[in-house]
Amino acid sequence: NAGVTQTPKFRVLKTGQSMTLLCAQDMNHEYMYWYRQDPGMGLRLIHYSVGEGTTAKGEVPDGYNVSRLKKQNFLLGLESAAPSQTSVYFCASSYSAGTGFSGANVLTFGAGSRLTVL
Amino acid sequence: AQKVTQAQTEISVVEKEDVTLDCVYETRDTTYYLFWYKQPPSGELVFLIRRNSFDEQNEISGRYSWNFQKSTSSFNFTITASQVVDSAVYFCALSEANSGAGSYQLTFGKGTKLSVIP
Repeated sequence: NAGVTQTPKFRVLKTGQSMTLLCAQDMNHEYMYWYRQDPGMGLRLIHYSVGEGTTAKGEVPDGYNVSRLKKQNFLLGLESAAPSQTSVYFCASSYSAGTGFSGANVLTFGAGSRLTVL
Repeated sequence: AQKVTQAQTEISVVEKEDVTLDCVYETRDTTYYLFWYKQPPSGELVFLIRRNSFDEQNEISGRYSWNFQKSTSSFNFTITASQVVDSAVYFCALSEANSGAGSYQLTFGKGTKLSVIP
């Protein structure tokens, strides 16, 4: 059981380049999230999705776009990378409120993707 | 707006000592959930515990225990007889029941880095 898988694990970009981070989960979770982790800042929510075809902005959405074309996948895109986007990116997923499952709001995280923008 | 404060940035203890990690939160909701996650040096985020706002019972799991006090808006985490494997960054997090279209966004504290010295 893979859980949440992020690709790539490492990437180095030059300023202005674009790239996409892929998150895939095999737990049939409705909700998916992208967070970024910076030293001394904890984790901050970039975008999230409550279901296939829907996305919403989190705390720090500027410079990022997302898509959820399939329930199991959540893509995070950088159209024009900037050095300020150097960070470790974490994808997470969870069950929806409607499942009635007691652990519905426990997020399962991927292993992280380390992005460096030069 | 919700907020989580982990005032201790770094803590060092000698193996077998007890250590308490502090977490103070702010929320206007009456229904909310509190979490602790562990991030070992390998980088993944490991779920430790979830507590809802209506359950103030303390919880013990092996060497880990959690003290939830609504009166002081605190959810502290104690490790008894610490071991080197406990060395990690520990994050406290808060999820409001009505955060963002029914999703379970977590607001994280900035984390406490625990070093257990042999």
